[in-house]
Amino acid sequence: AQSVTQLDSQVPVFEEAPVELRCNYSSSVSVYLFWYVQYPNQGLQLLLKYLSGSTLVKGINGFEAEFNKSQTSFHLRKPSVHISDTAEYFCAVSLNPGYQKVTFGTGTKLQVIP
Amino acid sequence: ETGVTQSPTHLIKTRGQQVTLRCSSQSGHNTVSWYQQALGQGPQFIFQYYREEENGRGNFPPRFSGLQFPNYSSELNVNALELDDSALYLCASSLAGMNEQFFGPGTRLTVL
Repeated sequence: AQSVTQLDSQVPVFEEAPVELRCNYSSSVSVYLFWYVQYPNQGLQLLLKYLSGSTLVKGINGFEAEFNKSQTSFHLRKPSVHISDTAEYFCAVSLNPGYQKVTFGTGTKLQVIP
Repeated sequence: ETGVTQSPTHLIKTRGQQVTLRCSSQSGHNTVSWYQQALGQGPQFIFQYYREEENGRGNFPPRFSGLQFPNYSSELNVNALELDDSALYLCASSLAGMNEQFFGPGTRLTVL
């Protein structure tokens, strides 16, 4: 079975500073990786996904993530954060896009400080 | 294009009662998945429906059941509610074979 570990439960960062949210996964087979964002009292929105190909994936709102197979990581980065990026971010893994069970991490709360 | 909608937004029940949550999938999507998100946790997969049949289930007891209708909308039913069932219940729709799920805003269930 696959699992996802998000190492940081909360990450405070000053506005316009860079940020990295860490995600590690465990699986015995190839996986598909996702980052979702959840704003207060809302559902989840897909930021970006890695299925195959280039290991650097660009998503919406200026976010990007890099798939590292040897380190089983999929860290999310943004070079300059805005107040509006304050939200909870979830890393997720799926084994098979046809059977779409998605396993989520416990989330990282990004707090952007003015 | 209408997104995924869920009803009701909030719900309060007492232990032992039964509850039905509803989800309308995004236009054209034929697959619906349900997730439970407890406070401070990531979403946990409950089950998925495709063509009105259950197509995969997570580690949830049988008192969690569902339906999918010909128009692809779906219901989640929970019997014999327990305090630990208090959570945000998320519905996600997708097109079979595609890897992106679109989430609704969720239903906040409180069990007293």
